[in-house]
Amino acid sequence: KQEVTQIPAALSVPEGENLVLNCSFTDSAIYNLQWFRQDPGKGLTSLLLIQSSQREQTSGRLNASLDKSSGRSTLYIAASQPGDSATYLCAVIRYGNKLVFGAGTILRVKS
Amino acid sequence: DVKVTQSSRYLVKRTGEKVFLECVQDMDHENMFWYRQDPGLGLRLIYFSYDVKMKEKGDIPEGYSVSREKKERFSLILESASTNQTSMYLCASSLGARGYTFGSGTRLTVV
Repeated sequence: KQEVTQIPAALSVPEGENLVLNCSFTDSAIYNLQWFRQDPGKGLTSLLLIQSSQREQTSGRLNASLDKSSGRSTLYIAASQPGDSATYLCAVIRYGNKLVFGAGTILRVKS
Repeated sequence: DVKVTQSSRYLVKRTGEKVFLECVQDMDHENMFWYRQDPGLGLRLIYFSYDVKMKEKGDIPEGYSVSREKKERFSLILESASTNQTSMYLCASSLGARGYTFGSGTRLTVV
């Protein structure tokens, strides 16, 4: 059974810091991996999708990497801002196009 | 951009009522999904559908049913609502494994 783990569970950083969120998964037989952001009480917003044949994806200050063989992905946020405060969720897309989610990392960026 | 619309942001229903949660997507995605999200339990898959009139059970289907009469609409039905179904419900759609788009969520309270 595919399991997804995110570390750390919570993170508090001062504004301007660069930070890394970690995601690991137990079964490397995935199609793709997707990172989401969730604000309190809201739905999920897609940040980055990494296809299984790719090593990384970038969007603005965000960069996500994928190492299928080791079962790991990282989300790098450059020059963090208070508006980045949210829960970040990692999900792997497995057979049947179903998502398996990690528990998330709660990020707080202090001004 | 794909848009996934959930008809209600907040719902309050009484125990034993039949509850319909509606979800509509506007980009001809064949896959649609219903998740529930609970503190400490993360996102769990209730039901999904790969095509019209087609449905598959997810990880926690008990107490729920679904309907997909049209490609763009996927309804989640609580046949007899119970207090343990109080939760945030999230609908999503995808085109194959090419990334998911989520709706804004419906916060359901059963009293």
